Amino acid sequence: KAGVTQTPRYLIKTRGQQVTLSCSPISGHRSVSWYQQTPGQGLQFLFEYFSETQRNKGNFPGRFSGRQFSNSRSEMNVSTLELGDSALYLCASSWVNPGQNTGELFFGEGSRLTVL
Amino acid sequence: GDSVTQMEGPVTLSEEAFLTINCTYTATGYPSLFWYVQYPGEGLQLLLKATKADDKGSNKGFEATYRKETTSFHLEKGSVQVSDSAVYFCALRTNAGKSTFGDGTTLTVKP
Repeated sequence: KAGVTQTPRYLIKTRGQQVTLSCSPISGHRSVSWYQQTPGQGLQFLFEYFSETQRNKGNFPGRFSGRQFSNSRSEMNVSTLELGDSALYLCASSWVNPGQNTGELFFGEGSRLTVL
Repeated sequence: GDSVTQMEGPVTLSEEAFLTINCTYTATGYPSLFWYVQYPGEGLQLLLKATKADDKGSNKGFEATYRKETTSFHLEKGSVQVSDSAVYFCALRTNAGKSTFGDGTTLTVKP
């Protein structure tokens, strides 16, 4: 069974640009969540999508957005990039049982974004 | 809101030493609790989990028990190896589907 796939793995952008990151979940997983990981701030929750709807949202500015497609693949977009957006962006998928959303997360290897 | 507090690192141990990484949480309802591990250059992977009070999760010699009365989920291993060197994250997930992670504890095991 293929794992969570994130693309691209590495990218370099300049301030003011925008970026789109992609995540393909494990087959059958309908929940996809995104995290920002930085040395100083640890692992910060961005948002979670389930069945194409944003179900949970973290405390990030509106420059950070996402979406989920009918095949459960997800994208996140960061507009007007700032130096502080340099981070490892991790995507995770999970199986959801009816009435129970507490399953473990399966993580991709991440997309490392550097903003110059 | 929900929160997870775990023992600050970094932690450095000699091979075969006993490991404890403390983790406490606050959450509404009855979350599931997890320990994830991140090896250098990789994403996080599940180490162990517990879904209800008094459950013990175990894997690869690591153990943690869901203690509702003390809202804790401490990670232990009796004898660490060099290959256990990694960053360990304690996490919870509520029935609303939202996950909250601790700040991570870096473990270095020296031969």
